[in-house]
Amino acid sequence: DQQVKQNSPSLSVQEGRISILNCDYTNSMFDYFLWYKKYPAEGPTFLISISSIKDKNEDGRFTVFLNKSAKHLSLHIVPSQPGDSAVYFCAASVAGSNYKLTFGKGTLLTVNP
Amino acid sequence: GAGVSQSPRYKVAKRGQDVALRCDPISGHVSLFWYQQALGQGPEFLTYFQNEAQLDKSGLPSDRFFAERPEGSVSTLKIQRTQQEDSAVYLCASNRFSGHTIYFGEGSWLTVV
Repeated sequence: DQQVKQNSPSLSVQEGRISILNCDYTNSMFDYFLWYKKYPAEGPTFLISISSIKDKNEDGRFTVFLNKSAKHLSLHIVPSQPGDSAVYFCAASVAGSNYKLTFGKGTLLTVNP
Repeated sequence: GAGVSQSPRYKVAKRGQDVALRCDPISGHVSLFWYQQALGQGPEFLTYFQNEAQLDKSGLPSDRFFAERPEGSVSTLKIQRTQQEDSAVYLCASNRFSGHTIYFGEGSWLTVV
């Protein structure tokens, strides 16, 4: 049973436009959410995170939005750059077990020049 | 080193063979994690150490999987009598103490033939 779902396996956008990556979750005990980026043959690298007490967190070109009632979060990248092309993983953890991340299957983002 | 270091990067094992995968975490990081990433999936939690203590091994798929961190730094993940379903990337990660953001190594790619 997938507790963290990324329903879009891939997304293609033009350079300079907005990229929106979506993530849904089913476990209401999740209280912290993270996005990781992964290039081929490399390990995932941390991108941005958000606590369940917030609904938005921004870091430069990256913004994560959390809608707890819908159990949905999204990552916005503005403006998108070709170097952003990678697989993006959504992950979540439960309070008290914050060392154990549950990941989605990932979304491959391609930013075309 | 600057990041989490894993070896070997690539391993081909014959079915039934034992393998050992090594992880050298970021210097000073108390917590160490192992994740397994099958093809087309997100990483899945295997086990967690705080210093030399293995505090959670609930994600280990079977008793053929064993992890240790005897001196609280380097860790080894051992898989006995490998099976084809063990083929995956094994990711090691660490962080300073606890908390949500963990830093991954590049992974050890295991193929069982």
